[in-house]
Amino acid sequence: KQEVTQIPAALSVPEGENLVLNCSFTDSAIYNLQWFRQDPGKGLTSLLLIQSSQREQTSGRLNASLDKSSGRSTLYIAASQPGDSATYLCAVWHPGANNLFFGTGTRLTVIP
Amino acid sequence: NAGVTQTPKFQVLKTGQSMTLQCAQDMNHNSMYWYRQDPGMGLRLIYYSASEGTTDKGEVPNGYNVSRLNKREFSLRLESAAPSQTSVYFCASRTGTARNYGYTFGSGTRLTVV
Repeated sequence: KQEVTQIPAALSVPEGENLVLNCSFTDSAIYNLQWFRQDPGKGLTSLLLIQSSQREQTSGRLNASLDKSSGRSTLYIAASQPGDSATYLCAVWHPGANNLFFGTGTRLTVIP
Repeated sequence: NAGVTQTPKFQVLKTGQSMTLQCAQDMNHNSMYWYRQDPGMGLRLIYYSASEGTTDKGEVPNGYNVSRLNKREFSLRLESAAPSQTSVYFCASRTGTARNYGYTFGSGTRLTVV
């Protein structure tokens, strides 16, 4: 069974700092990996989708990388802002299970 | 605004009561999903519908039933609620079976079973 792990579980940084969130998965036979943002009491907002054939995707201050062979992805946030405070989830789409497997998330706090 | 709409947003049930969670999407997506989110655990798939008229079990289907009423709507029913079903439930959709398309999620239903 596919397992997705996110480390650290929580992270606090001062405003303006660059940061990296990590995601690892046990089965490299994925079709894509998606990063989501979840605000307290809210649903999930899709941030970036990386196809299995891609190495990275960028959107504004966000950059996500994928190393499928090693089962790892990182989400890089540049020049963090208090508005970036949220829980960030990664999820991989596994063809065998026709399912999106989620990590437990990293709760990010950006301190003004 | 286009997206996935879930109702209700909050619900408290007594053990043994039944209820239906509603989900509708207006993006003409073929596939729809129901997930539950519990503290310390990732989202887990309950049921999904790859297309109108089809439904399949996910990772944690016990205690639930679903109906794909039409292309827009996918409902989740709890026939006899149990405290273990206290959770936040999310509906999601995506277009077709194209594996490289991402998911769109609703804002969730927070359910408490007492």
